[in-house]
Amino acid sequence: QQPVQSPQAVILREGEDAVINCSSSKALYSVHWYRQKHGEAPVFLMILLKGGEQKGHDKISASFNEKKQQSSLYLTASQLSYSGTYFCGPQDRGSTLGRLYFGRGTQLTVWP
Amino acid sequence: DVKVTQSSRYLVKRTGEKVFLECVQDMDHENMFWYRQDPGLGLRLIYFSYDVKMKEKGDIPEGYSVSREKKERFSLILESASTNQTSMYLCASRPGGPNNSPLHFGNGTRLTVT
Repeated sequence: QQPVQSPQAVILREGEDAVINCSSSKALYSVHWYRQKHGEAPVFLMILLKGGEQKGHDKISASFNEKKQQSSLYLTASQLSYSGTYFCGPQDRGSTLGRLYFGRGTQLTVWP
Repeated sequence: DVKVTQSSRYLVKRTGEKVFLECVQDMDHENMFWYRQDPGLGLRLIYFSYDVKMKEKGDIPEGYSVSREKKERFSLILESASTNQTSMYLCASRPGGPNNSPLHFGNGTRLTVT
């Protein structure tokens, strides 16, 4: 049931951009994105509800393609504080009760 | 602010012991979750509860059971702990149904089974 995230890891210099992809085998209602820093709990970034909807959080934005059952997270002009592991959590249409699965995560490291 | 509290940050148990991991949330959320986190495997759903006494199995329920007798409390039970259950366990909660509410996570319990 786990969605597929890619890449598994990304190493960037400050100011560079990155894209993290998430795909599901199920028809989706929404997609959640979270970031987890080492030793801490995952923290909510954003939820995408409609097909094609893009949302932003600082210089982090995301898109949601319902037809392809995919979402992408865009990190623009990355900062040191962006380092962490990013998880997507697609909520499938069959999960009327609110069950949520997460991917394996993408480890992002930003160097000065 | 929503608070999700896991009773122990670190726990060390012996093989074969019965282990209880407790999670309490203070926002009257219907949905509560138990995830297991291992390096390279991400967050894997063990069990999900959508109301008192209601539960669904996640991807990896084998070796675990859960209890939700009160809305605010969701317990994960390892009937007979084994070394392959050494892991970080995360509890989360949110309002019920397919909605746009985020999950709120507890700080996790790092369980070591020796």
